[in-house]
Amino acid sequence: DAMVIQNPRYQVTQFGKPVTLSCSQTLNHNVMYWYQQKSSQAPKLLFHYYDKDFNNEADTPDNFQSRRPNTSFCFLDIRSPGLGDAAMYLCATSRGERTISTDTQYFGPGTRLTVL
Amino acid sequence: AQSVSQHNHHVILSEAASLELGCNYSYGGTVNLFWYVQYPGQHLQLLLKYFSGDPLVKGIKGFEAEFIKSKFSFNLRKPSVQWSDTAEYFCAVTTYGNNRLAFGKGNQVVVIP
Repeated sequence: DAMVIQNPRYQVTQFGKPVTLSCSQTLNHNVMYWYQQKSSQAPKLLFHYYDKDFNNEADTPDNFQSRRPNTSFCFLDIRSPGLGDAAMYLCATSRGERTISTDTQYFGPGTRLTVL
Repeated sequence: AQSVSQHNHHVILSEAASLELGCNYSYGGTVNLFWYVQYPGQHLQLLLKYFSGDPLVKGIKGFEAEFIKSKFSFNLRKPSVQWSDTAEYFCAVTTYGNNRLAFGKGNQVVVIP
């Protein structure tokens, strides 16, 4: 089945120790997104790639970076995780064709990040 | 920026009861509206969406939602819930030409057998 895969499902890191979360897709979608979801809060968009074009949200901290080396893979790098960065990180994809705003987004299962 | 409000974060009801979850958004322009569902242990998936046409939209598993432009609302309904509808439900909005999904905080729905 075509899908969005996130690895690892659970990640534990130490305060200040860089961490990378990965996302891959078999849907061949143009757009890939990263969301942060803290407990009892709405998912919040961090950034997205439209093909190779990176689109950062204005309020995404500089501590968060992303890479998309090819269509299938997208990485979220947290350079110096703080305790406040503990959250579920969701990757999503969408086709990104003409009417992008009506696109369905397809989500992965998420990676739960714990910061010690 | 658009925002989405969902009330009654926790809903508990019995099987066969009717469910209605409210969703209000704040944006005066053209919007596209979505309901996503997350079953326990699973990923977020689309339940239904509206972007034009008939304001009453039917989705999977017997769910429907009605877009009322004058009320800035997109409420989700199901006439008779089942235990398997236990999940978290998120309302979300994009604006015309923009793929940024703005989510509400979600409704945690528990259906008691």
